[in-house]
Amino acid sequence: GAVVSQHPSRVICKSGTSVKIECRSLDFQATTMFWYRQFPKQSLMLMATSNEGSKATYEQGVEKDKFLINHASLTLSTLTVTSAHPEDSSFYICSALAGLLGRETQYFGPGTRLLVL
Amino acid sequence: AQSVTQLDSQVPVFEEAPVELRCNYSSSVSVYLFWYVQYPNQGLQLLLKYLSGSTLVESINGFEAEFNKSQTSFHLRKPSVHISDTAEYFCAVSLPYNQGGKLIFGQGTELSVKP
Repeated sequence: GAVVSQHPSRVICKSGTSVKIECRSLDFQATTMFWYRQFPKQSLMLMATSNEGSKATYEQGVEKDKFLINHASLTLSTLTVTSAHPEDSSFYICSALAGLLGRETQYFGPGTRLLVL
Repeated sequence: AQSVTQLDSQVPVFEEAPVELRCNYSSSVSVYLFWYVQYPNQGLQLLLKYLSGSTLVESINGFEAEFNKSQTSFHLRKPSVHISDTAEYFCAVSLPYNQGGKLIFGQGTELSVKP
């Protein structure tokens, strides 16, 4: 149980284009999902918290107009990197919150590697 | 605010030897504690967690961690490692989510198991 998928696993795009990454909870419903960014040899940096049916909450320093998050259903959240530039190249990982109230745990997707040329 | 410190960035060890990956946290309130493992080019997999109850928690693949409140530690141990345990290990803390908790990660420890 508690399986999270991401699509695509890898994407290469030209500078200035937009890229959409999907995060799905496969066997459970997730009111809350999270988006992280990870640079090589570093830890995960939380970008935003995505809540179904409401606006995402962005961490300080993360541009909400550049990283658009939509959580339209209880099993799907999307992250769109708008007008991507080479500095946006990174490993993007989502997670979904599962478990009983007071015993919630984040389950992570396999990640999406973005390369902007 | 909460913070996590993983004291070792790299831990090389020979196969079948014991290993301990150290994790210390800082928090003025009770927190949840987690260990996640990341294999190359993959997402994170939950290894084990402490939410409440018994301070010793175990995973299905032989790892265990002990929550020590007085030392604010949550060290990860395995009595005999395998080559397949080679990966990056992340310790993390969070408040309960109904208190606005978010995962705060340590910097990670690269475990390298050599034959």
